[in-house]
Order: sequence, then C-alpha cells, then structure tokens
Amino acid sequence: TQLLEQSPQFLSIQEGENLTVYCNSSSVFSSLQWYRQEPGEGPVLLVTVVTGGEVKKLKRLTFQFGDARKDSSLHITAAQPGDTGLYLCAGGGYGNKLVFGAGTILRVKS
Amino acid sequence: NAGVTQTPKFRVLKTGQSMTLLCAQDMNHEYMYWYRQDPGMGLRLIHYSVGEGTTAKGEVPDGYNVSRLKKQNFLLGLESAAPSQTSVYFCASSTPPGAGETQYFGPGTRLLVL
Repeated sequence: TQLLEQSPQFLSIQEGENLTVYCNSSSVFSSLQWYRQEPGEGPVLLVTVVTGGEVKKLKRLTFQFGDARKDSSLHITAAQPGDTGLYLCAGGGYGNKLVFGAGTILRVKS
Repeated sequence: NAGVTQTPKFRVLKTGQSMTLLCAQDMNHEYMYWYRQDPGMGLRLIHYSVGEGTTAKGEVPDGYNVSRLKKQNFLLGLESAAPSQTSVYFCASSTPPGAGETQYFGPGTRLLVL
C-alpha cells in the first residue's frame, strides 16, 4: 500500500509570511501532483512534477519533487488570504489511480 | 463546457435507505472516478471506470456499487446506507493515465446518514 504523508496538518499564518508544506512517502511515484481545494468545491490541480529534482514555480508558489521521487514540497512566498484552502498532494504511477495525502489546511489571516 | 457535474449537492438519508449519486462530464474523458473525503483522511478511491461499460474497485468499495452505461455518466449507488457512509463524495474524470494526467473534479455531494 502506497501512502503519502502530509505535514503539517494545519497551518495558520499572517499575511505576508512564508510557509512550506511537505509530502513524504516510502514509495516511489512517477509523478506528483498538488491540488488546492476551497470549501464546498472539488480539488483543482495546481501543478504536476514528473522528474526527480524538478522545481516548478507558479507565481508565489514553488513546487519541488525530491531526487528519489518519494517526496515533494510546496513553498508559498508572502502568503495572501486568497491562498487559504486545503492543499492536497497526490502520487501517480500505480495503474489508473492517484494516491492522495490527507491534506494541509492553510489559513492566511489579514 | 460545464466540466464535471454532480447531483444532488446534498442529501440526508436514514439508515437502510438507498440512493444513487450521478456524475456527468462533458470532456469526453475515458476515465472516471468516485472518491469519498473524510476529515483527516484525504480522498479515498471507492470505484473507478476506464471506459464505457467497465468498472473496477478502488481502496474502499464495500457498501457501494457503480455503473458506467454511458461514457459521460458514472453512477454511484448505496443500496443500504449506513452512518459510516456519511461523507463528502467527489467524482472526477481524466484522460488515460500518462505522466501526470489531470483529474477534473466535480463540486461534491454531501451525504448525511442518520
């Protein structure tokens, strides 16, 4: 069974602060995705990383895939209230299915 | 394009009642999925389908059945609801898995079983 552990489970910060969310596993994944989910809605894909060591940037968000393709991180610079939501990582490469982490709830206070 | 839609948005059932959740997608995707989301447990796959007329079990299939009679629709059935099935249910669709295909999610159905 492949498991993805996310940390922290909950993060409450002030606007303008930086933060990092981690996604770790003992299994190797062919790809790692990050989704963001707002209350009352379904998850929406933010990014996909497929190469060990890959770094992708999306405005103030930086995503990194570990060299061994077992872990990933999401770093947000100068967080804004609009970044508030549930962040989910998901690992691919096991047939037709994605393995999801439990998520990190982020609250950014103004 | 509406993307992925789910009906109903919210439902309350009594233990033992049955119901069907409907998922529809207009993106011509082959793959469709049903997940449940519970606090602290992320998204867990219930059943999925790789094409019209096919279904397969996911991580937590017990107590649920599914059907994919049309490519655009994926139905999730609860024959005899139990309080443990209280959850938020999400449907998703995607192109065939490759190097990180995108799953597109519906808005969810909140189910409360009393």
